[in-house]
Amino acid sequence: DTEVTQTPKHLVMGMTNKKSLKCEQHMGHRAMYWYKQKAKKPPELMFVYSYEKLSINESVPSRFSPECPNSSLLNLHLHALQPEDSALYLCASSQGGAYGYTFGSGTRLTVV
Amino acid sequence: KNEVEQSPQNLTAQEGEFITINCSYSVGISALHWLQQHPGGGIVSLFMLSSGKKKHGRLIATINIQEKHSSLHITASHPRDSAVYICAVRRPNDMRFGAGTRLTVKP
Repeated sequence: DTEVTQTPKHLVMGMTNKKSLKCEQHMGHRAMYWYKQKAKKPPELMFVYSYEKLSINESVPSRFSPECPNSSLLNLHLHALQPEDSALYLCASSQGGAYGYTFGSGTRLTVV
Repeated sequence: KNEVEQSPQNLTAQEGEFITINCSYSVGISALHWLQQHPGGGIVSLFMLSSGKKKHGRLIATINIQEKHSSLHITASHPRDSAVYICAVRRPNDMRFGAGTRLTVKP
C-alpha cells in the first residue's frame, strides 16, 4: 500500500457543527502532516506529527485540533469553524529526512 | 520575498510545444520536489531531486544546487498535462511550497 487515504472527500458543515477529517497511511512513515490550501494558493503547513507526537503547530487556531491515535492514523477535529476556514485540507506522510512526501487527495471543506 | 519563487505564474502552450517551468529558492534544503496538482485534486509527486537531472517519460527535472535553481521541462506537451505544477523544497521538519505554475495546453 503506497497511498495516503483521506476521508471524507467533501464535507459541508455549519459553524456550530463538530466534524473530523481522517487520514490513513500504511507505509510505515514516521511523519504525518496537515496542510490547508486555499484556491489558487500553495499549501500552508498546519501541523506536523513525528513518531505520533505533535512536533510543529503553525499557530493554528484552537478550533482545529489534531490527533494521532497511532502511527498510521491522523485526525483533524473541527469545531466552531468560520466560513473563511473553507479550503482543501491535505494530509501527507513521509519517512522523514530527505525522503519525499506522499500526499492524500484532500478533503474539500465548506463551512456555511 | 518568498523562500521559493516560481516562474511563470501562468503558462499557455499549444499541444506539442516544449515547456519549461523555473524554480529558485533561497534557503538550505535537503531535496527539491516537483509536484503536480489537477483542479480540485490532491497532489502527485513527480520528482524528488537533490542533484543533477531526472527523467520520467516526457518530463525532465534538473537542479543546480550552487545556483539554488531547478527547472521542470515537458517535451511534446499534451492537453492532459494541463495542471498546476508546484516546486517545493524539503527542509528538516517540513516542506515549503512555491506559488505554483498554472499550465494550460491547448489542442
